[in-house]
Amino acid sequence: QQQVKQSPQSLIVQKGGISIINCAYENTAFDYFPWYQQFPGKGPALLIAIRPDVSEKKEGRFTISFNKSAKQFSLHIMDSQPGDSATYFCAASGVSSTLGRLYFGRGTQLTVWP
Amino acid sequence: DTAVSQTPKYLVTQMGNDKSIKCEQNLGHDTMYWYKQDSKKFLKIMFSYNNKELIINETVPNRFSPKSPDKAHLNLHINSLELGDSAVYFCASSQEPPEYQETQYFGPGTRLLVL
Repeated sequence: QQQVKQSPQSLIVQKGGISIINCAYENTAFDYFPWYQQFPGKGPALLIAIRPDVSEKKEGRFTISFNKSAKQFSLHIMDSQPGDSATYFCAASGVSSTLGRLYFGRGTQLTVWP
Repeated sequence: DTAVSQTPKYLVTQMGNDKSIKCEQNLGHDTMYWYKQDSKKFLKIMFSYNNKELIINETVPNRFSPKSPDKAHLNLHINSLELGDSAVYFCASSQEPPEYQETQYFGPGTRLLVL
């Protein structure tokens, strides 16, 4: 059972455009939602994370929007650049022995054309 | 100054062989992980150790056996390799156990191909 559902699977955006990746979860016990970025041939690296006490978190060109009632969160990349081309994973975890691990979405391969 | 390192980077082997992947972290973290990333890039946790103690053991064939000789090292031994074991295996570490929801630092991955 997929704990975190991510869409789209792939995304092509023009340089300067906005990239939007969406994730949804079912388990209301999740309370930590990180996004990881993975470049080809590398391991994933934390990009930005949010907890449900806020609806939005911004770090530079990257923003997470969080909708607790809808159990959805999304990553927005403003002014997308070719260097942003990578695979992006949303994830969720909860504070418990069973949920205390990262459950990853299936990833979105982002390509930003110059 | 690599934070999480893995060896080897590539591993090509025949079905039925036994192989090991080594992981070391120099971050001083107490928790280490093994993840498997399949051909469709799906990332799934396999094992986690905290202070050399196994804390997460997902549904993984018992042909896979992790070993943590000390807090800085977590090795993965795979017996009787099968075609379906072909994947990229990532080691990761964090300061605290995963329920503390801290950043996990991933290694560069080991690309395993079973022929």
